[in-house]
Amino acid sequence: QSVLTQPASASGTPGQRVTISCSGSRSNIGSNTVSWYQQLPGTAPKLLMYGNNDRPSGVPDRFSGSKSGTSASLAISGLQSEDEADYYCASWDDSLNGPVFGGGTRLTVL
Amino acid sequence: EVHLVESGGGLGQPGGSLRLSCTASGFIFDDYVMNWVRQAPGKGLEWVSSISGSGYSTYYADSVKGRVTISRDNSKNTLYLQMNSLRAEDTALYYCAKDLQIEAPMTTVGSEIDYWGQGILVTVSS
Repeated sequence: QSVLTQPASASGTPGQRVTISCSGSRSNIGSNTVSWYQQLPGTAPKLLMYGNNDRPSGVPDRFSGSKSGTSASLAISGLQSEDEADYYCASWDDSLNGPVFGGGTRLTVL
Repeated sequence: EVHLVESGGGLGQPGGSLRLSCTASGFIFDDYVMNWVRQAPGKGLEWVSSISGSGYSTYYADSVKGRVTISRDNSKNTLYLQMNSLRAEDTALYYCAKDLQIEAPMTTVGSEIDYWGQGILVTVSS
């Protein structure tokens, strides 16, 4: 059971907008920033978002992040087939004194 | 260009030990927190351990605390993970990973990772 809760799966059609949620608590998302990772099959994770809504260079602006209270979301607009991947949220947890990851959401592009 | 190359994985016996290494290049190694993150087959990401740039501060997941030691040799640009008292549940792909920020504040350690190695497989089985 992951400390951060994500839906196991999400789906959308090309061009659609999809959001993935990440639910935590006061000790993690409620107090610290959230990052998001994309993991394509057979590859290492890639940083998509940090500081709740900052994109590393090279990440398309189709990807956006937000946070409210103890929850965060990753939105992907103009969905493309190459977006089909697993997505993970992460945040520092003050109670555990370490970072925690969500269980991951598998995004399928129909 | 940043490169992180893990080595030292393989088959370990339950109760046995393994030492993972990660050789880094392409950045000023001792400026950055370094991490180990693992992924069991077909499962999600699990943070294992982090170490500050100086090596002075270390952090461990509860699942490995007391069995694992993270260390670094800044003169060799190398990160280590000494794993003892191996358990079947330690079976996973272990990634060496670099924090995004120089001298990252504690509240982002291990959660903002901009570079990952290719991973090294650890299998614990008799």
